[in-house]
Amino acid sequence: SQTIHQWPATLVQPVGSPLSLECTVEGTSNPNLYWYRQAAGRGLQLLFYSVGIGQISSEVPQNLSASRPQDRQFILSSKKLLLSDSGFYLCAWRPGRQQETQYFGPGTRLLVL
Amino acid sequence: QKEVEQDPGPLSVPEGAIVSLNCTYSNSAFQYFMWYRQYSRKGPELLMYTYSSGNKEDGRFTAQVDKSSKYISLFIRDSQPSDSATYLCAMSQGGKLIFGQGTELSVKP
Repeated sequence: SQTIHQWPATLVQPVGSPLSLECTVEGTSNPNLYWYRQAAGRGLQLLFYSVGIGQISSEVPQNLSASRPQDRQFILSSKKLLLSDSGFYLCAWRPGRQQETQYFGPGTRLLVL
Repeated sequence: QKEVEQDPGPLSVPEGAIVSLNCTYSNSAFQYFMWYRQYSRKGPELLMYTYSSGNKEDGRFTAQVDKSSKYISLFIRDSQPSDSATYLCAMSQGGKLIFGQGTELSVKP
C-alpha cells in the first residue's frame, strides 16, 4: 500500500530564516506531487505541483520554491521566511493521469515569529 | 465569485441526526467531485469520489452531484461524535483540485 510522509510535523522559525520541508511517498512510482498551504479557517491553496523529476509548476507568486530531486521526494523551500508564510503545509500525491483523486500527508505546521 | 463556494459553518447537530453538506461551483467543465474529511491538525482524507452527475453511497455517507445546478452534496446518516471534523469539497480540473473553504461539523452526544 502507498503511504506519504511529511517532516517535520511542527516547526517554529524566526522571520528571515531558511525553510526546508520534505515529503516522500512510498509504494508507488512516478506520482504527481503537490504542495498546498492551508491558513486557519480556510480551504487549501495549491502552491506547486510536479509531474516528474525536476518538473515543477508554480501556482502563485510567493516567497517559496519547490524541488523534486527524486521520483518520490518533494521539497518545499524558502531562503528567507516571512510572517505571512505561517500556516499548515500539506503534501499530496496523485496516482497518475487515470485518476483525479489526491491523497494527503499528515502536514507540517509552520509558525514564523 | 469563487469557483467553489462552501458554507463554512460551524454546523452543530445532535448525535443520530442526518447531516447535509453542500457546495456550489461555477465552472461547468468540472467532471470529478470529491469530499474530504479533515480532523483537527491532520491532513485531509478522501471520503467520497464521484464522476459526473448522480449518487454514490458508502455506508452512512451519500454523495450527490447535480451538474445542471452546479451543486454537490454530502449526506451523513446516523451521525456520530466521531464525524466531528471539517468537510471539504473538491473538484478536479486538469489534474488540479479546487477546494471549497470547508464546513466545520460538530456532532454532540
